[in-house]
Amino acid sequence: DAKTTQPTSMDCAEGRAANLPCNHSTISGNEYVYWYRQIHSQGPQYIIHGLKNNETNEMASLIITEDRKSSTLILPHATLRDTAVYYCIVRALNQAGTALIFGKGTTLSVSS
Amino acid sequence: DTAVSQTPKYLVTQMGNDKSIKCEQNLGHDTMYWYKQDSKKFLKIMFSYNNKELIINETVPNRFSPKSPDKAHLNLHINSLELGDSAVYFCASSPGHEQFFGPGTRLTVL
Repeated sequence: DAKTTQPTSMDCAEGRAANLPCNHSTISGNEYVYWYRQIHSQGPQYIIHGLKNNETNEMASLIITEDRKSSTLILPHATLRDTAVYYCIVRALNQAGTALIFGKGTTLSVSS
Repeated sequence: DTAVSQTPKYLVTQMGNDKSIKCEQNLGHDTMYWYKQDSKKFLKIMFSYNNKELIINETVPNRFSPKSPDKAHLNLHINSLELGDSAVYFCASSPGHEQFFGPGTRLTVL
């Protein structure tokens, strides 16, 4: 079972920042937080991951609270192409072959 | 320059048939996976291979048999197909943190 809780859906206006929350209150010390998204009819796409510190890449920023019990994915300037299901996943990377356990995710709808 | 490719993209077949789905990655990754996404859109891990060896085998009927002829390929063979096998099957590969997914194979069993 997924170890994260996310809102079922969110809306965002094009050009605005999309802030997607995730609760992972039972996260272990060796578990990372990963974000993936799935655009309709495509395979999931990796976005970003982090352990303790905030992270930023060309796609998004990841803010992890100090107690690591929750995190927020930020898409700074959402576009229509960002409409997708966003999955927050916690996973330990302590052995090869560790799979992703997907929950229901958050359906983000970006509108003009 | 597709990183993870799957064939076929669509597969329509009758109950009871045997079929295979092929997956190839040109990224040089050691680890490959098969995931299943059902009609309710839940994504679940089926198998994981590392360096051609089976690492994860979730509760999947033994009608499903993965085969890894080399590190770049992980094929999925399904015997005696059932209606409930209808789903989208995704292959993925990974060097560690990031998993790269293929475009999926939509299997429809009639």
